[in-house]
Parts: sequence; structure tokens; C-alpha cells
Amino acid sequence: EADIYQTPRYLVIGTGKKITLECSQTMGHDKMYWYQQDPGMELHLIHYSYGVNSTEKGDLSSESTVSRIRTEHFPLTLESARPSHTSQYLCASSELTPGSTDTQYFGPGTRLTVL
Amino acid sequence: SQKIEQNSEALNIQEGKTATLTCNYTNYSPAYLQWYRQDPGRGPVFLLLIRENEKEKRKERLKVTFDTTLKQSLFHITASQPADSATYLCALVLDMGRRALTFGSGTRLQVQP
Repeated sequence: EADIYQTPRYLVIGTGKKITLECSQTMGHDKMYWYQQDPGMELHLIHYSYGVNSTEKGDLSSESTVSRIRTEHFPLTLESARPSHTSQYLCASSELTPGSTDTQYFGPGTRLTVL
Repeated sequence: SQKIEQNSEALNIQEGKTATLTCNYTNYSPAYLQWYRQDPGRGPVFLLLIRENEKEKRKERLKVTFDTTLKQSLFHITASQPADSATYLCALVLDMGRRALTFGSGTRLQVQP
């Protein structure tokens, strides 16, 4: 079982609210990722990080922002939630060492519904 | 452009049979390829990794092959069980500069009892 945690697991919120989705890992991994996935659809990378103070945008444009102040913590924030943000958000981490195979370990996900 | 292709149609098989899923990729020669399992509403779970110099890898009832000439990987589940029903994703690093996995869209496997 991977040691990566996401809270909350489910969130129902009204339009215009600010939300932060939490992700923490205890494996000491340098790389962390956020994916967005709609039911039955493919994973879309929206943000990733190589380590503390590093954040990069992924393949899918997202209005969310991320921060990486501590190695183990990679929160995602939406300043003003909209119904179009309704989706499942998955956090993952992997090692960043020479010879590592980029195997990713995923959290259980946060199911976000914006009314 | 570089991409990964998996059969988007669901695969339905009878319990006890062997399931075979396909992953094709284009325009790249990856050093390794990975397979993940994803259950509904949950994050993917890593299953197997196969390197470019390995033709075949096994783990219990799972077998993965890797043909770098055909740019294809096959994922087999022998003696399939209803509990094997899930979506299976292949993944590889398409952009060595970014060193992040790109996941295929996945193939849903349904094993009928």
C-alpha cells in the first residue's frame, strides 16, 4: 500500500468558493503530480513538481494552482470553483534519482462536485 | 506527435480464460514500459515494469511482453477471475526532458463468472 494521502475524499461545494485539495506522501519522493480524471475517461496531468519550490504546468490547462513548500506536501487550490471543475483529482508521487523508473504511486483521489 | 494507444473497447471474457490487452506507442523508443490497474473511483496501482532489453516479464498470473520493433506491449492475465475486472493502463516516459509518465487511456476488462 502506497503511503500517499489525499483529503478530503469527497467535496461538494458551491460556485465561487475557494477550495484546497490536500496531498501528502511519506515516502520522501521528490516528484509529485496532480491529475484530473472524469468518470470512464483518461488521466490528464495538470501540475507536477520536481521538488521544493518547483512547480510546472502539465498537459491539460487548469485554472488551479499548486505549491510545494515541503517535500511531503503538494496542495492544489482553486480560487473560485465552478461547475466545470467537477471531476476526480488524483495526486501521485515518484522518485527522482538516477536510474529510477518513474513509477508513480497514487493517492485515493478527491471527488469534487461544484454546484 | 508521440502517443500511446490502447483499445478503447471493453474486453469481456469468461472466468478462467486468458485476457490479452494491447498497448501501442509511436515515435519513440522507451527504456521501459509500465502497466497499472485502476478500479472505479480509485487511483491507478502499479503492477509491472518491463525494460527495453527484456522480452517478457512475469508476476504470478500476469505476463507482459515488450516488442520494441513493433512498438507494442502485450499484457496477459492467465486464469482470469472476476476480481481481475478493472481498467488497465500502460504508461511510459515519452518526454525524457520532463521525465514524467504518459498514461494510455486504458482498456476496461470485464471477467464474467
